[in-house]
Amino acid sequence: SQQGEEDPQALSIQEGENATMNCSYKTSINNLQWYRQNSGRGLVHLILIRSNEREKHSGRLRVTLDTSKKSSSLLITASRAADTASYFCATDPSNTGKLIFGQGTTLQVKP
Amino acid sequence: NAGVTQTPKFQVLKTGQSMTLQCAQDMNHEYMSWYRQDPGMGLRLIHYSVGAGITDQGEVPNGYNVSRSTTEDFPLRLLSAAPSQTSVYFCASSADRGDEKLFFGSGTQLSVL
Repeated sequence: SQQGEEDPQALSIQEGENATMNCSYKTSINNLQWYRQNSGRGLVHLILIRSNEREKHSGRLRVTLDTSKKSSSLLITASRAADTASYFCATDPSNTGKLIFGQGTTLQVKP
Repeated sequence: NAGVTQTPKFQVLKTGQSMTLQCAQDMNHEYMSWYRQDPGMGLRLIHYSVGAGITDQGEVPNGYNVSRSTTEDFPLRLLSAAPSQTSVYFCASSADRGDEKLFFGSGTQLSVL
């Protein structure tokens, strides 16, 4: 079973709008990571947030983590057509190196 | 640095054939892993290794073998391919398990007829 579940499964917005994706997980974690995958390519790491952090920023990305609700959100501000991709959250629920990915959110940004 | 290199990029097999997907990294990473990606299923972990000589199973290990004789290489073997193994395979590495970002290869698209 998947440790991380992303919501929504698909999202379509206009360029310049903000995009928010959510991730829920089942067990306690040390950290949560977000990745992006462009069509036909490998995944690229975006950001890692540790369990003792509530919010983290990287450029136009803002990630929040609520360990009490076992959830995280990824906000992309002022989206661009180049942000069109699938976004995945990933956790290591047993802290053994078995990084488990959610099913992903497919984001389409229309120019 | 080339990062994580996977070969081949595409492969077509017949049911019952065997093959090895190659993965090499030049970042001196201890941790390496293999995932498969199927439509609507996200990425699922097949096998992983925390260092040379050490491997362990992931979520979906059946039908696959791995070995880690060197830090750089982590090949994935399909001993008797089945249509259910049609998928896109990704190799990934990181400096440490669990607490470091993964670097991914560009993937191998495998079709088993």
